[in-house]
Amino acid sequence: RKEVEQDPGPFNVPEGATVAFNCTYSNSASQSFFWYRQDCRKEPKLLMSVYSSGNEDGRFTAQLNRASQYISLLIRDSKLSDSATYLCVVNIRSGATNKLIFGTGTLLAVQP
Amino acid sequence: EAGVAQSPRYKIIEKRQSVAFWCNPISGHATLYWYQQILGQGPKLLIQFQNNGVVDDSQLPKDRFSAERLKGVDSTLKIQPAKLEDSAVYLCASSSYTDFPYEQYFGPGTRLTVT
Repeated sequence: RKEVEQDPGPFNVPEGATVAFNCTYSNSASQSFFWYRQDCRKEPKLLMSVYSSGNEDGRFTAQLNRASQYISLLIRDSKLSDSATYLCVVNIRSGATNKLIFGTGTLLAVQP
Repeated sequence: EAGVAQSPRYKIIEKRQSVAFWCNPISGHATLYWYQQILGQGPKLLIQFQNNGVVDDSQLPKDRFSAERLKGVDSTLKIQPAKLEDSAVYLCASSSYTDFPYEQYFGPGTRLTVT
């Protein structure tokens, strides 16, 4: 079983749609959680950290369920500029070191 | 705040040649990471430094890859000799190890093509 699993997609959605991505992780020692966005031929960029209480940043809402080891990202009112790969990432901390484990990413294509 | 800097941005070499990549992390970030990303996959950690010490190099192919972080700031990653399967993007990232949630910030990467 992969440490972080995501549906690779692609998700093809029209502009204005709401789309949800899900992710599961296997290591219960994971301490912090992120969604990164990666545009074609670019580096991953931090989209948002994910907290148990859920957090929102404009059109983006992230949720963490530690009991189910499940992370989600909801994008409302999709824009063409949201087209990218979304990487689910967990951080495992051991002592004073941190290790990020990446999912393979979910490709989103927003259509006009 | 300046981001993570990497050079070169692109490199094309023939198999069996050598290549080196350079990274300058965000100022004050004690932890530096080198990743390899193959098209269609998530980044794979090659090596992690905390200051100038290695804390994880379990996935570094040590017969051909080496990395150093002298003085705990800049870092170089070297491949010698390169193989065709080394064609990938090499990403450098840095983070603070004291500030939760310990997010990492990536440089623009070096795209390596081995022919």
